[in-house]
Amino acid sequence: DAGITQSPRHKVTETGTPVTLRCHQTENHRYMYWYRQDPGHGLRLIHYSYGVKDTDKGEVSDGYSVSRSKTEDFLLTLESATSSQTSVYFCAISESGQGVVEAFFGQGTRLTVV
Amino acid sequence: DQQVKQNSPSLSVQEGRISILNCDYTNSMFDYFLWYKKYPAEGPTFLISISSIKDKNEDGRFTVFLNKSAKHLSLHIVPSQPGDSAVYFCAARENAGGTSYGKLTFGQGTILTVHP
Repeated sequence: DAGITQSPRHKVTETGTPVTLRCHQTENHRYMYWYRQDPGHGLRLIHYSYGVKDTDKGEVSDGYSVSRSKTEDFLLTLESATSSQTSVYFCAISESGQGVVEAFFGQGTRLTVV
Repeated sequence: DQQVKQNSPSLSVQEGRISILNCDYTNSMFDYFLWYKKYPAEGPTFLISISSIKDKNEDGRFTVFLNKSAKHLSLHIVPSQPGDSAVYFCAARENAGGTSYGKLTFGQGTILTVHP
């Protein structure tokens, strides 16, 4: 298994509070991603990083911010959580290189906003 | 605008028979297609991929077929086993001028149930 750790694994938070989810990798992969999984939508890309301090928006980035200060850590922050952000969040990593395609996923963080 | 679609929410098959999972896409810039498998409370795990320049890729019991003219791909599992019961996601990577950053676009998923 790829060395990806997400924390926390479960969290319940109140509407309007800030929340930070952490993704830590031990594979030294260049690319890191945050996806959310919702019924009927599959997995949708929130933000991604292509290097330290290099990040960009994905398909559903509104209400989220990210930071990557070290190769191994990618943080996802909900500035002010809303009920629509109740979801399962997955971190993924992949390596650059010719023919390299697949991304490896963490175990997920189940976030409930009440 | 869903660029990758899995139109069957669920599929039920008997152990030992073939499972066929389907996926359609709209973006001609996709250069790789992937299938992931997901068990409850776990992250998706990579199964198999295919380049857009190929029409078939096989790995053990899993074969992916690509029909570029129809913008359609399918995953065949033969023979199906109860342990194959999971959610299967189709995904695609866009070749954005050679710099895709590995971003994947996923379909909605299909729940496969294999009955003993």
